[in-house]
Amino acid sequence: NAGVTQTPKFQVLKTGQSMTLQCAQDMNHNSMYWYRQDPGMGLRLIYYSASEGTTDKGEVPNGYNVSRLNKREFSLRLESAAPSQTSVYFCASSDPFRETYEQYFGPGTRLTVT
Amino acid sequence: LAKTTQPISMDSYEGQEVNITCSHNNIATNDYITWYQQFPSQGPRFIIQGYKTKVTNEVASLFIPADRKSSTLSLPRVSLSDTAVYYCLVGDALNAGNNRKLIWGLGTSLAVNP
Repeated sequence: NAGVTQTPKFQVLKTGQSMTLQCAQDMNHNSMYWYRQDPGMGLRLIYYSASEGTTDKGEVPNGYNVSRLNKREFSLRLESAAPSQTSVYFCASSDPFRETYEQYFGPGTRLTVT
Repeated sequence: LAKTTQPISMDSYEGQEVNITCSHNNIATNDYITWYQQFPSQGPRFIIQGYKTKVTNEVASLFIPADRKSSTLSLPRVSLSDTAVYYCLVGDALNAGNNRKLIWGLGTSLAVNP
């Protein structure tokens, strides 16, 4: 049981390049999340998916797109990377039918845009 | 929208009880209060969650007054391994999209000294 996995762990992009961050969970959770974490800013929600086929914008969605490919996978795409998107990105999942709305986090992807 | 405020840092010694308070004056009726722990280069990890009054589990207690405008995470008898950043999260994880935000505090860096 791997929990939440993210690839890649590290990535360096040039301004204007595109890339997709991959996330998968094996806990059969319905809800999945993408966050970014910046020094002094805490965690900010980028996008949220309540279930397969549905996605909603979070606090900072501009410059990102997401795809909930199936129940297991939730990808985050940067179409044209900007230096302001340099951050650590975390994927998380949760089961809304549990007693607590505990989110399980992946190990993160550290992205640098030059 | 709820805004969460917590101390930037705290110091303690092994064996002491540590209390970290989070202020969330605009908490909504459907919002839960959740605390997470984060070690360097890892994703946050769930500690405890509550709605009102007091919740206790094997690692911590969470105290929430009747007006729910603040909450206090209590860590009994901390050890060196409890040195980490602790985040307060306010929101309804069941409905994180559609402008029902998940609001994270900026984190409290706890240093436990020998």
